[in-house]
Amino acid sequence: QITLKESGPTLVKPTQTLTLTCTFSGFSLSNGGVGVGWVRQPPGKALEWLALIYWDDDKRYSPSLKSRLTITKDTSKNQVVLTLTNVDPVDTGTYYCGRPRGRLIDYWGQGTLVSVSS
Amino acid sequence: DIVMNQSPDSLAVSLGERATMNCRSSQSLLNSINNKNYLAWYQQKPGQPPELLIYWASTRESGVPERFTGSGSGTDFTLTISSLQAEDVAIYYCQQYYTTPLTFGGGTKVEVK
Repeated sequence: QITLKESGPTLVKPTQTLTLTCTFSGFSLSNGGVGVGWVRQPPGKALEWLALIYWDDDKRYSPSLKSRLTITKDTSKNQVVLTLTNVDPVDTGTYYCGRPRGRLIDYWGQGTLVSVSS
Repeated sequence: DIVMNQSPDSLAVSLGERATMNCRSSQSLLNSINNKNYLAWYQQKPGQPPELLIYWASTRESGVPERFTGSGSGTDFTLTISSLQAEDVAIYYCQQYYTTPLTFGGGTKVEVK
């Protein structure tokens, strides 16, 4: 059974760095072809893809956020970490991690709501 | 980036009636080598993560009811719910996975009339 769960702060101040962790089970990032991705959703708005990391450490980022995003993996812990620097209130939203099948996310975590406010 | 446009923004359909929504991409999602369209449809209910319904534009994910049908090719795609059920009330998103950055449409909200 594949599960993913996001964790991290619920409130972050503007200009700070947001660090989110995706802890998963039922698959391994040491297996070929496997990856983990992040998608976010501002309140009442559409989904926005952020980043992907694959088993071979291939990383892909949203161009609009690339300068602020970093995605890393810890294969031994079954975790993927996403950091977003210099946050702004527009970064408020629910952040989801998911397991892609190729580039298509077929399993999603429940999401974690992050608010950016002073 | 490939831009995904969905229409309409919302639609209200009577239970048992057909619901049809559209998705248009700014460039073709058809891979000429494998003849596959890299287009997916997701359903998102309030307070829940998206759920994959359709991939390769027309292949239902395992467990998805047959009333959900995806069609189209190239740049124009359609999701049809043949007979709307109460549990189908949700926002539906199309997404291209032809290339990164992966991009989503703005969503179509389906309600019961």
